[in-house]
Amino acid sequence: NAGVTQTPKFRVLKTGQSMTLLCAQDMNHEYMYWYRQDPGMGLRLIHYSVGEGTTAKGEVPDGYNVSRLKKQNFLLGLESAAPSQTSVYFCASSLNTETVSYEQYFGPGTRLTVT
Amino acid sequence: GQNIDQPTEMTATEGAIVQINCTYQTSGFNGLFWYQQHAGEAPTFLSYNVLDGLEEKGRFSSFLSRSKGYSYLLLKELQMKDSASYLCAVRDRTNAGKSTFGDGTTLTVKP
Repeated sequence: NAGVTQTPKFRVLKTGQSMTLLCAQDMNHEYMYWYRQDPGMGLRLIHYSVGEGTTAKGEVPDGYNVSRLKKQNFLLGLESAAPSQTSVYFCASSLNTETVSYEQYFGPGTRLTVT
Repeated sequence: GQNIDQPTEMTATEGAIVQINCTYQTSGFNGLFWYQQHAGEAPTFLSYNVLDGLEEKGRFSSFLSRSKGYSYLLLKELQMKDSASYLCAVRDRTNAGKSTFGDGTTLTVKP
């Protein structure tokens, strides 16, 4: 099992450019998440999905869009990148149900710089 | 919403014991997780508590008191490789599986 993988690992964008980050998991997990982590801070939830075809906003959704067309993939899009979106982006997945909690498995992260 | 507090930094000596505290406020508690994150890497799961008491896993233990909104992670026989950030995360049953993360505690282990 590869677990959770993210593409790309590094990216530099100019202000106004767009890009898509890809997350893939091979553990058949229902729940998937996108977080950003800024220096010295914890993880802040951008968007999440509780199953194929569903998405929901997290704590900091502005400037981002997501799609979950297949159960194993969760895409994060930046429509018009801004310097404030410079961060490390982590994707995660879990077996969560409505009532039972399971740990999250994280991808290796994407380091994005917007100039 | 949820509010999670952890100390920003801690320092301990190799071979010693260290306790990292986490306090939280939530409208519908449904589990608390501890994750370890080495610099430049992804977080990895350490422990999970949903009932009051102590969960032990090798050198690591985690304690929960739901009435006090309090948890701690106890690391025994510290090793240099334990230098990392430790993240407390609380799941709220009203938020469909989402967990809110604290800002993390950076632990430095010195020889």
